[in-house]
Amino acid sequence: GNSVTQMEGPVTLSEEAFLTINCTYTATGYPSLFWYVQYPGEGLQLLLKATKADDKGSNKGFEATYRKETTSFHLEKGSVQVSDSAVYFCALSDGRGYQKVTFGTGTKLQVIP
Amino acid sequence: GAVVSQHPSRVICKSGTSVKIECRSLDFQATTMFWYRQFPKQSLMLMATSNEGSKATYEQGVEKDKFLINHASLTLSTLTVTSAHPEDSSFYICSASAGSANTGELFFGEGSRLTVL
Repeated sequence: GNSVTQMEGPVTLSEEAFLTINCTYTATGYPSLFWYVQYPGEGLQLLLKATKADDKGSNKGFEATYRKETTSFHLEKGSVQVSDSAVYFCALSDGRGYQKVTFGTGTKLQVIP
Repeated sequence: GAVVSQHPSRVICKSGTSVKIECRSLDFQATTMFWYRQFPKQSLMLMATSNEGSKATYEQGVEKDKFLINHASLTLSTLTVTSAHPEDSSFYICSASAGSANTGELFFGEGSRLTVL
């Protein structure tokens, strides 16, 4: 079955530091890949997505590239801010209709001033 | 973008009572909605898939008589936690899919935090 593996957190960074959150996946076929963000006390929001190999999703300074050869979708940001503190979820869907989305366990990011 | 709204955002109830949580798609029609449960420091666990006009499909291990789901219209799904107990306390989140069926992108409600005393 499908699965998503994320690096365990929490990740603590100083403001303006470089961020990488690793994500690898296992899926049949050609899944779509997502990063969702959950701010404290809120539901999930889509941060970025990529629907095919070599696509790069980007939003709010965050980027992730769909790497089929390494089955990875690592999240990066060049300079984090305190407001980026949240839990980040890597996810995939296998593209077959209104399908279930498989989530990773989430990585908590804390950015300190 | 597509908006999904949940209500209430927080609810506290006594053990043995039932609680209803609503999930609405505000600017699109959602034939399918999903209900998740999130425990502290854990990922989302899919509880059930709610289909408009038909019975919900429950994931293995989820009690369908405990968690009643009704998808009465294309914009509303409800989750009723019946005879709630303290172990049902959790963060419940709904989501809906809009647009192309093959993108898999989901839009999430704000979540509902249930506390059972």
